[in-house]
Formats: sequence, C-alpha cells, structure tokens
Amino acid sequence: DTAVSQTPKYLVTQMGNDKSIKCEQNLGHDTMYWYKQDSKKFLKIMFSYNNKELIINETVPNRFSPKSPDKAHLNLHINSLELGDSAVYFCASSQGETSSSYEQYFGPGTRLTVT
Amino acid sequence: GQSLEQPSEVTAVEGAIVQINCTYQTSGFYGLSWYQQHDGGAPTFLSYNALDGLEETGRFSSFLSRSDSYGYLLLQELQMKDSASYFCAVRDGATGGFKTIFGAGTRLFVKA
Repeated sequence: DTAVSQTPKYLVTQMGNDKSIKCEQNLGHDTMYWYKQDSKKFLKIMFSYNNKELIINETVPNRFSPKSPDKAHLNLHINSLELGDSAVYFCASSQGETSSSYEQYFGPGTRLTVT
Repeated sequence: GQSLEQPSEVTAVEGAIVQINCTYQTSGFYGLSWYQQHDGGAPTFLSYNALDGLEETGRFSSFLSRSDSYGYLLLQELQMKDSASYFCAVRDGATGGFKTIFGAGTRLFVKA
C-alpha cells in the first residue's frame, strides 16, 4: 500500500501553460507539505498545511496555489509556467504540528519539465 | 535566518566507516534529522536527534551537540547500496509553525 502518492510522475509542458499535481496520503497524518528539488538537489519547502489550513508559505510566487480539500489530500496548481519551474516536486506528510512529529514521509515526486 | 552546511561529496570504500558532518544556524531549533535519497528516488527518513548524544539504528548512528550547533551521521560497514545523497535537516519552530529546513545534501560514493 502506497503511503504518499503523487500524480503524475512526469509532466512535460510548455511555458505559459497551467498544470496541477495531486497528492494523497493514507497514513492518517494531519500535516502535508510541498517541496521543490532543483537540479542541484537542493530541497526547499514551499508550503505546509495542517488539517487543511495553510501553516507555512515560503515566499513562493503566487502563480503556485496549493489546495487541501481534506487532510489526506494536498494539490498544487501552477499558473503561467516558466522555465525556472522545472524541478522535481515532492509531497510529504507527517503526523502533525508538534515538536515530536518530526518524521516526514515523502511521495515519489513529480518531475516537471517546462519547455 | 536559517542555514545548514554539509560537505557536498564524500567517497569511501565498501566495508569502511564514513562520517557526514552538519553544522546549522537557526533561531528556533527543535532537532536534527537525517534523510537518505537515492538517485531518482524520494527522501527517506533515517534518524532524528532532539537531545545531545548518539542515537544508533543498525549500521547508522547520528550525533547531536546542541551547544556546538553540530551533528553528524555515521555509516558503518559501508555497502554499495549506501551510495546516495544524505541530507541533514533542522526542525525549526521560530515562525509559529514547525518547519523542516534541509541542507544541500552530501553525495556519498561507495567504491568496491
């Protein structure tokens, strides 16, 4: 059983398009995250949600809009895609917003290529 | 702000011991985690230290010194499958919510 799943695994699109990435976790966790990993493998947090509420928004351009319809899902919509958006996007989850909920479970990643 | 430093690359031979160091700077430190990521894969959790000292999990151990803002990951009896990137990550609670900030990663090459 997949703990954190993301779709699609690969996404190739042209500049200016709008695309969405979906994430689901079946771990019963309260907190979900989006990370961006660039070509140099630097892993940077973008957003975190706790029980469907936005907790962290790390100065991400507002072309990126996360949506959490319920605590098991966190989707990422990207408008007007740019070349610099090309990266691997990881969804992750953890038990909750407490100091002891440190372990994060990552999805398989979505490799986005903007041409 | 927050920052973490770890070596970009380490090379070791099978069967050896390797230590990957991490120094950090953050205002709301709660603990230090380590994650492993194979090429094309997702990061997977290895260990977490909230208190000073050594935590051992099989061939892997992790150490933390809060007073020195320093930690390390120790990998023993290296195997080829340990070739991967290793990230230290600080759990920071300074901004009103808990945030995990990752270092740039250390690429470990294990040679036969």
